[in-house]
Amino acid sequence: NAGVTQTPKFQVLKTGQSMTLQCAQDMNHNSMYWYRQDPGMGLRLIYYSASEGTTDKGEVPDGYNVSRLKKQNFLLGLESAAPSQTSVYFCASSTRDGGGEAKNIQYFGAGTRLSVL
Amino acid sequence: QKEVEQDPGPLSVPEGAIVSLNCTYSNSAFQYFMWYRQYSRKGPELLMYTYSSGNKEDGRFTAQVDKSSKYISLFIRDSQPSDSATYLCAMTTRSNDYKLSFGAGTTVTVRA
Repeated sequence: NAGVTQTPKFQVLKTGQSMTLQCAQDMNHNSMYWYRQDPGMGLRLIYYSASEGTTDKGEVPDGYNVSRLKKQNFLLGLESAAPSQTSVYFCASSTRDGGGEAKNIQYFGAGTRLSVL
Repeated sequence: QKEVEQDPGPLSVPEGAIVSLNCTYSNSAFQYFMWYRQYSRKGPELLMYTYSSGNKEDGRFTAQVDKSSKYISLFIRDSQPSDSATYLCAMTTRSNDYKLSFGAGTTVTVRA
């Protein structure tokens, strides 16, 4: 059971280069998320997608774009990488449980370590 | 002021000690509270989940929520070296429950 899979695991970019981080989930979850994690800052939400075909900005969206064309995939793009985007990026997915109690248990991938020189 | 405050530590304890981790929050609408554990160079994984106030116990782990004080805690009894990790609290509201608000995380080292 793969869960949430992120590719690549590591990436080094030069300032101004572009790249796409890929995320795939096999749990049939409706919602997917992209976070970045920096020392002392915790997890900060970049973008999220409540369902296939919809996306919304999170706390720190500047410099990023996203795509959710298929339910199982959520892509994070960096159009022109900057050193400030050096970070560890995590993708997550979640679903709302049935019944009277709404839940949002997010399942995370192993992360992508990005360095922008 | 951050919506969720968590002491970053680091915290170092001897094996067998009780570990106490805490978060405070400012949004009274938070009703769902979680603790995630993150091992070095890995993604966070859900450890405990609590709805509204009260206690929840799972083996050596106990999660407490005090909504009147806007304060949540995680206790680890009989700590083991394998408990060495960063622990993040997270919470959300009923109406906006697909987005989580995270604490910055507390790094715990259990010394053998």
